Parts: sequence; structure tokens; C-alpha cells
Amino acid sequence: KNEVEQSPQNLTAQEGEFITINCSYSVGISALHWLQQHPGGGIVSLFMLSSGKKKHGRLIATINIQEKHSSLHITASHPRDSAVYICAVGIQGAQKLVFGQGTRLTINP
Amino acid sequence: GAGVSQSPSNKVTEKGKDVELRCDPISGHTALYWYRQSLGQGLEFLIYFQGNSAPDKSGLPSDRFSAERTGGSVSTLTIQRTQQEDSAVYLCATMMTGYGSYEQYFGPGTRLTVT
Repeated sequence: KNEVEQSPQNLTAQEGEFITINCSYSVGISALHWLQQHPGGGIVSLFMLSSGKKKHGRLIATINIQEKHSSLHITASHPRDSAVYICAVGIQGAQKLVFGQGTRLTINP
Repeated sequence: GAGVSQSPSNKVTEKGKDVELRCDPISGHTALYWYRQSLGQGLEFLIYFQGNSAPDKSGLPSDRFSAERTGGSVSTLTIQRTQQEDSAVYLCATMMTGYGSYEQYFGPGTRLTVT
């Protein structure tokens, strides 16, 4: 079993829909990161959080430390949100990140 | 300011040859990571440098892989006697460090193809 599991693996939605991507982890963490990777493009860090909730524009990230679970929400989704979204955790006591397999999101106009 | 840069952006090499990949970090970022993303796979940690401390090499897949970071700045990842399974995008990320956790900034990656 992977230390970081994301669901769904693939998600297709219509423009305007509310999107939720989930991430569960099984190890102690120092922080959890949500990353965005566009086709052919680099990786951009969206959020880094260790508790509670963060919001940036139409993006919201939440984390529940007790349940070892995080969600990334996109409100009023747009085709430009189409990308792979990756959850990564910083391992407690170490410096490396462990990555989920990513969620490929496609927003159709 | 300038972000993390990597060179070359693309590298095609023959099986058995050695390759060197370069990462230029954001100025002032003391932590530097190398990751690998094979086709259709997730990101995989390779090695981590922090200041003058001994690097964490726990993610290097074999002894053909090595990395160094000179003067706490530029880093090179070297793959000796490349194999086809080494084909991947190699990503560098850098980060400020101090109390607490910080965001990692990723470079654009080097796409390595071993023929």
C-alpha cells in the first residue's frame, strides 16, 4: 500500500462544477503539499498546510490530521484548471516528500 | 526574481553513456531536492541537500546515480552507464529552511531519453 493515496485517479467534469480531490496518508507528516502539473509544463506548488484550511482564489485545501486526510476543492471550475493535481507529504523527522500518484482533472467547456 | 532553472531541458543519450544534469537554485534557498518522474508514474524522491550537512541519498535507485552540490548552490546529478529505464523527467526543487515547513519551488525539469 502506498504511503500516500489519492482519489480519484481521473476526473472529468463540466465547466462550473465543484471539484473535490482527496488524499489519504499513512505516515506521520510535517506538512502536506498540493501541487499542480500542467501537460508539458512544470510543477507549481498550490498549498502547503499542516492544519486546518487554506484558500487561494477558487482553490481551497483542508487537512484533518487525526484522520490523516486532506481534500483539494475547486469552485466554479474552468477548462484552464485541467491539469494533474498531486498530493505530497513531508515525512516527519525527514526532509523528503512522498508523492501520491496524482489526479488527472479534465474540465470540459 | 529568477526561479529554479535546470539544464539541459532535453537530453537524448545512448545506453551506456554518462550524463550530467544541472540545477541552479533560487538564491538563498539552502535546501535542494532531486526528483524523478518516469512516464506514467508518480514523482519519486532521489536525493536531498541541506546546507553543509551530509545529503540524504536514500532515494537514489542504484550506485550509478550520484549528485553533488558545490558551494551550497548549483547541483549536478550524474547518471553513469545510463540504462533505458533511466528515461524520465528529472526535477529539481529548492526551498528556504528555518523554523517550520516551507514551500518547495520546482524547476522545469530535464527530460532524459536513453536510446
